[in-house]
Amino acid sequence: ELKVEQNPLFLSMQEGKNYTIYCNYSTTSDRLYWYRQDPGKSLESLFVLLSNGAVKQEGRLMASLDTKARLSTLHITAAVHDLSATYFCAVDVPGKLTFGQGTILTVHP
Amino acid sequence: DTEVTQTPKHLVMGMTNKKSLKCEQHMGHRAMYWYKQKAKKPPELMFVYSYEKLSINESVPSRFSPECPNSSLLNLHLHALQPEDSALYLCASSQEIRTDTQYFGPGTRLTVL
Repeated sequence: ELKVEQNPLFLSMQEGKNYTIYCNYSTTSDRLYWYRQDPGKSLESLFVLLSNGAVKQEGRLMASLDTKARLSTLHITAAVHDLSATYFCAVDVPGKLTFGQGTILTVHP
Repeated sequence: DTEVTQTPKHLVMGMTNKKSLKCEQHMGHRAMYWYKQKAKKPPELMFVYSYEKLSINESVPSRFSPECPNSSLLNLHLHALQPEDSALYLCASSQEIRTDTQYFGPGTRLTVL
């Protein structure tokens, strides 16, 4: 059974600081997704990582994928309050998305 | 346009009621999905349709009955639900069953009394 584990599960950050969220998964996959969810809202697609070594960046967020280590990271640079949300990684094996537990990110002044 | 729409936004039903959730997309996607999400938990896959045929059923109780009348529409028929079925029900679609990015609708917040 595929397991997808994120850490940390809760992250309280100060504005302007950097931090990384980790996503480990237990079986081979060459597709990994990062989604953002605001409270009471749906999921917004952030990144799709399709191959080993893939790196994608959008604004203050950068995601990477190491398929050999079965590890993806979501790096936050110079956090701002607008980034406060829950972030999920999800692994596609095959055609089924299995989500990590989610990381609740709070950015405070 | 990457929009998936869902109706209703909120639904309150009794345990003896029959109701339906509706999902629609006009992106030409041939794969559609139903997920259930409890508070502070990740979404859990329920059903997957590919080219209007049920492809995956994640051992969902029969009180949930999916239907895909055409390539743009996905319904979830609800009957004799339990209070523990209260959750956010999310619909998603993607180009095909194994392709990049599932696009999620806004969800239906279901409360079973």
